[in-house]
Order: sequence, then C-alpha cells, then structure tokens
Amino acid sequence: NAGVMQNPRHLVRRRGQEARLRCSPMKGHSHVYWYRQLPEEGLKFMVYLQKENIIDESGMPKERFSAEFPKEGPSILRIQQVVRGDSAAYFCASSPPRAGPRTDTQYFGPGTRLTVL
Amino acid sequence: AQTVTQSQPEMSVQEAETVTLSCTYDTSESDYYLFWYKQPPSRQMILVIRQEAYKQQNATENRFSVNFQKAAKSFSLKISDSQLGDAAMYFCAYSARSGGSNYKLTFGKGTLLTVNP
Repeated sequence: NAGVMQNPRHLVRRRGQEARLRCSPMKGHSHVYWYRQLPEEGLKFMVYLQKENIIDESGMPKERFSAEFPKEGPSILRIQQVVRGDSAAYFCASSPPRAGPRTDTQYFGPGTRLTVL
Repeated sequence: AQTVTQSQPEMSVQEAETVTLSCTYDTSESDYYLFWYKQPPSRQMILVIRQEAYKQQNATENRFSVNFQKAAKSFSLKISDSQLGDAAMYFCAYSARSGGSNYKLTFGKGTLLTVNP
C-alpha cells in the first residue's frame, strides 16, 4: 500500500507566480489535511478536506491560498501571486474514513519544499 | 488555545547512551492525544510514539518511551541505546481526542538531536 504521495518535492517560483502543490492520499483514505512548516518552526495546520468539501480552513491565510480535494484526482493546494514569505515546506496528511477525522491515524507525505525567489 | 513548548532547541547524545527530550503543553481539555514525531534530513514526518491522555501507563516503542505527567502537563521522550539513525529533529504534538478540532495537530518548535559516534 503506497503511502501519501506529494509532488513536486521541490518547487521554485518567482514572486507573483502561482504554485500548485499536489497530494495523493493513501489508498482508501478520504480525509486530507495540509500543514505548513516555516523555517525554524513546527508544522501548523492549514486546512482539512474531505472529497469535494472543505471542512475547516481556519489555518489558511485569507488571501491567495486555496485548497480542493475533487471527487477524482489528488488534493491541490494553490498559492496565487507567491511572495517570499510563502517559502516553506508544505505537508499533506491523510486518514481513513472509519471513525471520522482523526489525528491518531494521520499519515504524512514527504512534503513539498517551496522556494520563492 | 492549545500550545506545545519544547524548551530544548538542540540536544546531543553519545551513541549507545540515553537522552531525554522535554515537552510541555497547555490545554483545558481532559481527553487528548500526545505524539512525538521524528523528522530526519529527508524531512519526512515519522510518528515515533503516541500517548492517550486517559491511559496512565506510559507508552513504549522499542527503545523509545515517554514519561507522561498529566497533572504537570509534561510529556518527555526517552531514547535508550541511541543510534546514529536517531539523529533528527523531534517534534512534540498535541491533539484533542474529541470535539470540533480533534483532527488538528498542534506542534512544538522541535528539538534537534545530534548523535555523536
């Protein structure tokens, strides 16, 4: 059973460009979570999604950031008009549908390192 | 709001020796999980050990064990017989076990562990 997949592993963008980060959850998992790790910091929760639904986006910056988890395909974290402060590692985690969203069964992907020049 | 504090930015240990990493947390919840994650240079987040707050017995996983002091809100990680492969950043994390935010992990800032041969 493949783990959580994220791509690309490294992404370089210039200021003002768009960044698209992809996350494929583990097979059978229906809950997806995105976390951001700024330099010298721990991970911080951004958003929790189920298929076709955003359940909690309380950790997302109000502007430029959006997330989706379509019926088919990976979850996408989209950052428009990137700025240098968006440089960070972005981690996706997934958990299975049984017993609802959980932290004790969250499996993390390898992360995407975004660098904004 | 829940907070997690790791007061040791860096620690070092000699190979085969024992080291203890500290973590304190603040919460008004009575039912919650505590976790230790390991992040090696590959940046993959790896779950090391998990503790349910309602369990009085301290969790153990091979060479890794915790000292969970609920009243003091302390959750330290002990690594016995340290190995070179244990070198990594270690994050302490908290989540509520029920309620509206039981899917959010709150992380500390991490402790960088160096293992000396």
